Amino acid sequence: QQPVQSPQAVILREGEDAVINCSSSKALYSVHWYRQKHGEAPIFLMILLKGGEQKGHDKISASFNEKKQQSSLYLTASQLSYSGTYFCGTEMGGNQFYFGTGTSLTVIP
Amino acid sequence: NAGVTQTPKFRVLKTGQSMTLLCAQDMNHEYMYWYRQDPGMGLRLIHYSVGEGTTAKGEVPDGYNVSRLKKQNFLLGLESAAPSQTSVYFCASSYTYDFGELFFGEGSRLTVL
Repeated sequence: QQPVQSPQAVILREGEDAVINCSSSKALYSVHWYRQKHGEAPIFLMILLKGGEQKGHDKISASFNEKKQQSSLYLTASQLSYSGTYFCGTEMGGNQFYFGTGTSLTVIP
Repeated sequence: NAGVTQTPKFRVLKTGQSMTLLCAQDMNHEYMYWYRQDPGMGLRLIHYSVGEGTTAKGEVPDGYNVSRLKKQNFLLGLESAAPSQTSVYFCASSYTYDFGELFFGEGSRLTVL
């Protein structure tokens, strides 16, 4: 039930781009993305709904491919503040919602 | 605006002891959740509530009980703590159904010896 995220970890230099993938074995109603900094609570980034458009704010955006049951999070021109662990959450209806195991992103100067 | 507040932030228990974690939210959210976070396993749902007086089981409910006597509070209880319950516990709340945008508390780190 738990979605699979890839990669598990990535290290970037400031200004570089990254893509984090989230894949489910079941049909999805929506995909949610959160970021968690070390020792802090997860913070909501965005929700992508079935049939909805690609979303984004600032230089972080995401897409949702319903047919492939996949979502991707795009971070462009990464900043030091982007460091943290990114989690996708997948909603499958029937009160089923599962977080992935997370992708650790480290941005270095 | 406090948002979601968890108490206590840290606790050490011996095997077999009991304890209660308190979660309070001041956003008038209907839905509240308890998650546990373990290294490499992400966030796993323990129990959740869709309104005052209601509770439901999540992915990993065994060994835990919950109560939602007041809309703003969601309590997580461990009746007989086990080392496997050593974890960081997060409470969350949301306004919309179907696990809408979740607002998380700062977490409670529990160690069971």
